[in-house]
Amino acid sequence: QVQLKESGPGLVQPSQTLSLTCTVSGFSLTSYNVHWVRQPPGKGLEWMGRMRYNGDTSYNSALKSRLSISRDTSKNQVFLKMNSLQTDDTGTYYCTRDEEYYGFIDYWGQGVMVTVSS
Amino acid sequence: DIQMTQSPSFLSASVGDRVTINCKASQNINKYLDWYQQKLGEAPKLLIYNTNSLHTGIPSRFSGSGSGTDFTLTISSLQPEDVATYFCLQHNSGYTFGAGTKLELK
Repeated sequence: QVQLKESGPGLVQPSQTLSLTCTVSGFSLTSYNVHWVRQPPGKGLEWMGRMRYNGDTSYNSALKSRLSISRDTSKNQVFLKMNSLQTDDTGTYYCTRDEEYYGFIDYWGQGVMVTVSS
Repeated sequence: DIQMTQSPSFLSASVGDRVTINCKASQNINKYLDWYQQKLGEAPKLLIYNTNSLHTGIPSRFSGSGSGTDFTLTISSLQPEDVATYFCLQHNSGYTFGAGTKLELK
């Protein structure tokens, strides 16, 4: 069945770089898009960016200067890197997927909590 | 960028009530509006996609309507398990979430 699982460090120091991995199963990264979405504690959802099925990327304009999304199709993994982290980057980070033709996000990972603190 | 204004932020209703939640887009998003339910401590779950299509396994008491800039999620008869926060998401141009509606039982 379709699964997405986020992994990465739970604690990052301010000004450092966050690196997260989304490992997927049950579908191909060359057929589906993978998104990153985050949620500060007790707050709403923010779309961060997307890796398309063909390798193209797009980013939230507010995060574009700090964010990079890449992938390794042989390992079924999508990566997020975001630099210059601050305390307001604390939150739960989700990877999700959509099918290009339809465009709606249908499956979500369980999320990984990231705390930015010294 | 498209902005999504979701209302109300908080809603208290009784079991059996009809509940409506609204999302307004800052520009025309055609039919490309989805609704998600998020229970405490869980990832969001897709309820409705492209305005009014019910996702697989979602009870028929959930429905969506609207077009252009104004959209509504309706729960026809509120059940205790519907207590959650609900979000809208536009995917017509980029992706933008609404701020959420927290639904509680009265």
